[in-house]
Amino acid sequence: QLVEPGGGLVQPGGSLRLSCAASGFTFSSYALNWVRQAPGKGLEWVSAISASGGSTYYADSVKGRFTISRDNNKNTVYLQMNSLRAEDTAVYYCAKDVRQYQLLGALDYWGQGTLVTVSS
Amino acid sequence: EIVMTQSPATLSVSPGERATLSCRASQSVSSNLAWYQQKPGQAPRLLIYGVSTRATGIPARFSGSGSGTEFTLTISSLQSEDFAIYYCQQSNNWPPFTFGQGTKLEIK
Repeated sequence: QLVEPGGGLVQPGGSLRLSCAASGFTFSSYALNWVRQAPGKGLEWVSAISASGGSTYYADSVKGRFTISRDNNKNTVYLQMNSLRAEDTAVYYCAKDVRQYQLLGALDYWGQGTLVTVSS
Repeated sequence: EIVMTQSPATLSVSPGERATLSCRASQSVSSNLAWYQQKPGQAPRLLIYGVSTRATGIPARFSGSGSGTEFTLTISSLQSEDFAIYYCQQSNNWPPFTFGQGTKLEIK
């Protein structure tokens, strides 16, 4: 199970940190991803982090503004979002990779999503 | 960046019939292709990965095929719970992982 509190309304240029708490699987064995979905739109991959946390990856649209991290002792993955823009408004999902110790990119468990609204 | 294109945008099919959804990649993605189902207000659900491997708990009526740049998701006999939006996704050349724009499967 993946649970994501932490969304909300933020002004353009502001910051927000999302968290995603995991249970029911060996958290430290799996890569984690963030995927977002703007209202009424399709899915957009945002970021990924390896099982160890040693490797991170970003979409060009968020590179330099967002930072993914994880705490394997707390079974939690984070997404620090800075310099937020209106176009970052979306439901943000955390999602687990299907295969242990690999970033296969197939995402088999998803959180329920949290809405981030960037507006003045 | 690899662009994934799904067709048709909307597919109308009667319950019990077969549905065939297509996905095309702008360049080869080898066998690194997944399919997801999303219902309104819900998170996506992984159906198929590696072109044809069903995810845990996915019924056998869902099957995937294809290679290179052309892929197909087939639902052999539509059930009422299958009407949803379906997305394909490549994970061959990344970052980024890229999704298609989705196919809405609706009741005819």
